[in-house]
Amino acid sequence: KAGVTQTPRYLIKTRGQQVTLSCSPISGHRSVSWYQQTPGQGLQFLFEYFSETQRNKGNFPGRFSGRQFSNSRSEMNVSTLELGDSALYLCASSLSGPTSGNTIYFGEGSWLTVV
Amino acid sequence: QKEVEQNSGPLSVPEGAIASLNCTYSDRVSQSFFWYRQYSGKSPELIMSIYSNGDKEDGRFTAQLNKASQYVSLLIRDSQPSDSATYLCAVNDDNYGQNFVFGPGTRLSVLP
Repeated sequence: KAGVTQTPRYLIKTRGQQVTLSCSPISGHRSVSWYQQTPGQGLQFLFEYFSETQRNKGNFPGRFSGRQFSNSRSEMNVSTLELGDSALYLCASSLSGPTSGNTIYFGEGSWLTVV
Repeated sequence: QKEVEQNSGPLSVPEGAIASLNCTYSDRVSQSFFWYRQYSGKSPELIMSIYSNGDKEDGRFTAQLNKASQYVSLLIRDSQPSDSATYLCAVNDDNYGQNFVFGPGTRLSVLP
C-alpha cells in the first residue's frame, strides 16, 4: 500500500514568489492535513481538509491556503513568499472516521527554501 | 492556546538501558495522544497511540497516559543506537478532525 506522496521534494523560491505543494494521501484516506516544521517553531498545524472542505485551521496568515480535490488529493499554496517561510512542509493523511480513529501518517515532506 | 511540553534534551542513555520520555499537555479535553519518532532530515513516523488511562505496550515501547495529571510518557526498553532520534509527543482534541498539537520534541541519543 503506497504511503503519503508529496511533490516536489525540494524547491528554492525567491522572496515574493508563490509556491504550490501537492499531496496524495494513502488510498482510502479522506482527511489531509498540512504542517510546517522549522527549527525554531517546531511542528505547527496549518489546516486540514476532509471531503473537499476545510475542517480545521491553524494560526497562519492568509498567504497560506489549501484545497482538496474529489479524489482526496490536496494542494497547499503560499503566496508572496517571505524568508521565514523556509521550512519543511509536511502533509499527513488519515481515515478520520468515527470507528477508525484519527491517527495521521506523514509524507516525506517538501523542503522549501526562500532566498 | 493549547500547549504540549517536552524536555528538549538531549537525553543520553547507554545501549540496553530504558529511555523515559515525558510529555505534559495543557488542554483537559484532549482525547488522543501519540508518539512520533523523527530521524534527522526525515518525516515523523508513528510509534504509538494511546486513548485511555494506563499503559499500552508494543514491543519495546510502552506508552503511559494519566489524564488527571495531563501527562503522557514513552518508555523504550533495551534501547538501541538505532533509537537515536527526536521523539515528538502529539495531542489531538477532536475525535474526527485533525488538529494535532505537537510538542517541541525530545532528542534521544543511545550510546553504544
